[in-house]
Amino acid sequence: ELKVEQNPLFLSMQEGKNYTIYCNYSTTSDRLYWYRQDPGKSLESLFVLLSNGAVKQEGRLMASLDTKARLSTLHITAAVHDLSATYFCAVDPDHAGNMLTFGGGTRLMVKP
Amino acid sequence: GAVVSQHPSRVICKSGTSVKIECRSLDFQATTMFWYRQFPKQSLMLMATSNEGSKATYEQGVEKDKFLINHASLTLSTLTVTSAHPEDSSFYICSAQGGYEQYFGPGTRLTVT
Repeated sequence: ELKVEQNPLFLSMQEGKNYTIYCNYSTTSDRLYWYRQDPGKSLESLFVLLSNGAVKQEGRLMASLDTKARLSTLHITAAVHDLSATYFCAVDPDHAGNMLTFGGGTRLMVKP
Repeated sequence: GAVVSQHPSRVICKSGTSVKIECRSLDFQATTMFWYRQFPKQSLMLMATSNEGSKATYEQGVEKDKFLINHASLTLSTLTVTSAHPEDSSFYICSAQGGYEQYFGPGTRLTVT
């Protein structure tokens, strides 16, 4: 059974600081997804990582994938309050967009 | 592109009644759609995979007779919660597969009183 673990589960940080969210998974996969969820809302796609070594950046967020280590990271640079949300990683072990398994989520609070 | 809608966005029903939730892919065809359930402060849990023209595949622990799924066309899947009980209250999210991505609907918040 595929397991996807995120840490930390909860992160409170000051504006302007940097931090990294980790996503570990237990089976081989070269497709990993990062999503953002605001309270009461559905998922917003942030990044799609499709190969080992993939790195993508959008604004203050950067995601990377190391398939050998079965690890993805979501790095936050100079956090701002608007980044406060819950972030999920999800792994597709079948390489076909099927049956995503989600991590437990990281609830991020950025304090002014 | 790749927009998925859900209807209704919010529904309150009485215990014992049934509720139907629709999931539509608005600008693409999806042979496969997925239904997830999310309880407060928890992650998304896959309930079932809905395939157009065939029976849905349910995850372990999900009662297929309680959560009826019909994928009638390439743009529409429906989830019917039959004989709903308060413990079925949750946020239900559908997604539609497009290429190597899943596109998520806005979710339906179900409250059973």
